[in-house]
Amino acid sequence: KNQVEQSPQSLIILEGKNCTLQCNYTVSPFSNLRWYKQDTGRGPVSLTIMTFSENTKSNGRYTATLDADTKQSSLHITASQLSDSASYICVVSAGAGGSYIPTFGRGTSLIVHP
Amino acid sequence: SQTIHQWPATLVQPVGSPLSLECTVEGTSNPNLYWYRQAAGRGLQLLFYSVGIGQISSEVPQNLSASRPQDRQFILSSKKLLLSDSGFYLCAWSVPERSYNEQFFGPGTRLTVL
Repeated sequence: KNQVEQSPQSLIILEGKNCTLQCNYTVSPFSNLRWYKQDTGRGPVSLTIMTFSENTKSNGRYTATLDADTKQSSLHITASQLSDSASYICVVSAGAGGSYIPTFGRGTSLIVHP
Repeated sequence: SQTIHQWPATLVQPVGSPLSLECTVEGTSNPNLYWYRQAAGRGLQLLFYSVGIGQISSEVPQNLSASRPQDRQFILSSKKLLLSDSGFYLCAWSVPERSYNEQFFGPGTRLTVL
């Protein structure tokens, strides 16, 4: 069964600090992994996508890493801002032969305090 | 450019009443369409998806139903709402051949069943 597990479930940090969110998955065959940001009361928006051959991908202060061997990904946020307060969702899609319906993690709720 | 609309934005309904949520997509043809529900503090749960007009697949048994009367219109319905139907409903679209099947989400509908 395809699964995506995220940790921590929630995280509180001070503005300006860095943080790292984790994602472990068991999706086969693997196609790509995407991190979404969901502001409260809004739909998720894609931050980064990584395929099997990519180890790291940056989008401004967001940097995602992927270890396809251990089936782990992380999202690192640098110099956090109040606007980073949101839920961050890890989504893994299967490749040919697998379900094209992506598997969503439950998300990590990040709160940035001033 | 593509846009996705959902309405209403918020809805309060009594138990046992009917439901109709509408989603429309502009700027793309023959998209895959999805309905998700997000309960408070929970992850996204896929309810229905559609790969074409009149083609609906259900992921979980429930008292909800979906229809796709037109290529870019997706409707979520219920004949009699339950308290457990409360949640945040998100519609999404994707084109599998594009951007690794990235899903683009609508603004969501907050449904409260009393």
